[in-house]
Amino acid sequence: GAVVSQHPSWVICKSGTSVKIECRSLDFQATTMFWYRQFPKQSLMLMATSNEGSKATYEQGVEKDKFLINHASLTLSTLTVTSAHPEDSSFYICSARDIRGDSSYNEQFFGPGTRLTVL
Amino acid sequence: RKEVEQDPGPFNVPEGATVAFNCTYSNSASQSFFWYRQDCRKEPKLLMSVYSSGNEDGRFTAQLNRASQYISLLIRDSKLSDSATYLCVVSWNAGKSTFGDGTTLTVKP
Repeated sequence: GAVVSQHPSWVICKSGTSVKIECRSLDFQATTMFWYRQFPKQSLMLMATSNEGSKATYEQGVEKDKFLINHASLTLSTLTVTSAHPEDSSFYICSARDIRGDSSYNEQFFGPGTRLTVL
Repeated sequence: RKEVEQDPGPFNVPEGATVAFNCTYSNSASQSFFWYRQDCRKEPKLLMSVYSSGNEDGRFTAQLNRASQYISLLIRDSKLSDSATYLCVVSWNAGKSTFGDGTTLTVKP
């Protein structure tokens, strides 16, 4: 299957700092990438849809000024957690769809996730 | 009501057992359906897609009932390596997906 990478795989930072997470599709192009957050013992919650060349679409309750998303190319999307606080500590996972895929078939390929701990 | 609801679990079964997971979804416009598997502290991995005609992959069988908005996953002859959390995923609107809370399966020797 297609490969999606994330960097870093884990990060520990002080409260108030900003953290950037990269999501790359390695062997395919993705016009759309998705950012999810998963708290312990909970399911993945979609935060935003990242569209190449346009603004991201945020889910209700997700602050766009706090979670900055940039999708500058067909293989890279970045999520920046600005002024991180301990409650932002979570597992952040991105996913991507192959643009060659049938639009009615919505398999997503997931990155390995980034574990963020804010002290 | 949640958009995607799964059996709360956990399921603890002996090796060789057959176990079934159920999932219901509320959005009748949903287009695609999947079962993902997630191991502890790892990303979800696609287990199988779910089609109206039903589909089987080895020991795994998935069924979709659009009229009842219901999805199921059957695992036969459970292995220790099947222990994981199984996520029901429903997609629509250009790939936007909603995940169920997951059902945890533990297969014991």
